[in-house]
Amino acid sequence: DTEVTQTPKHLVMGMTNKKSLKCEQHMGHRAMYWYKQKAKKPPELMFVYSYEKLSINESVPSRFSPECPNSSLLNLHLHALQPEDSALYLCASSPDRGGGTEAFFGQGTRLTVV
Amino acid sequence: QKEVEQNSGPLSVPEGAIASLNCTYSDRVSQSFFWYRQYSGKSPELIMSIYSNGDKEDGRFTAQLNKASQYVSLLIRDSQPSDSATYLCAVNTGGGNKLTFGTGTQLKVEL
Repeated sequence: DTEVTQTPKHLVMGMTNKKSLKCEQHMGHRAMYWYKQKAKKPPELMFVYSYEKLSINESVPSRFSPECPNSSLLNLHLHALQPEDSALYLCASSPDRGGGTEAFFGQGTRLTVV
Repeated sequence: QKEVEQNSGPLSVPEGAIASLNCTYSDRVSQSFFWYRQYSGKSPELIMSIYSNGDKEDGRFTAQLNKASQYVSLLIRDSQPSDSATYLCAVNTGGGNKLTFGTGTQLKVEL
């Protein structure tokens, strides 16, 4: 079952709010990703966790804070966001067999910052 | 030079025709290549992966890889209106888990 579940599906938050996006997979995958996608643009990598350790941070602003509590869960904590941070946030997971393996995406969280 | 490049399209093909989508990449150490389909408002869906030079077929889809030319393509045979979507080429760059996407090609299959 290739399923990655993201919650919530939609989120509207003010610039002073703190919120979290959640992602869960039960495929035994050891790599998990956060991507950001703006309209009519490709997904843009934010963070990669490999074996529960942060392995890639693509110079993402500190108002985005990732967390990987265990191998099945990935969170993205949001604080003091700007309207330009409004986008579709995608979580993905992959087996991480080394040399690159296919990633499977969740349905995304559509975030609106007001 | 962008790491992964695709023509943005739109690419229009008549129903039943072959659609050909192309992608080039710059990182010579890349080993893994993927095609994703993304419908408007939805998340990317993996449709093909290819790791070795040559062709890989899965139903109506054929992926082709030429590492010497740093080129990967996707052929869709007997195109259907339901194939109308944006097709994203993705490449593992940097030798690890970093998956980099091209800008995507919008495909329109016309009746």
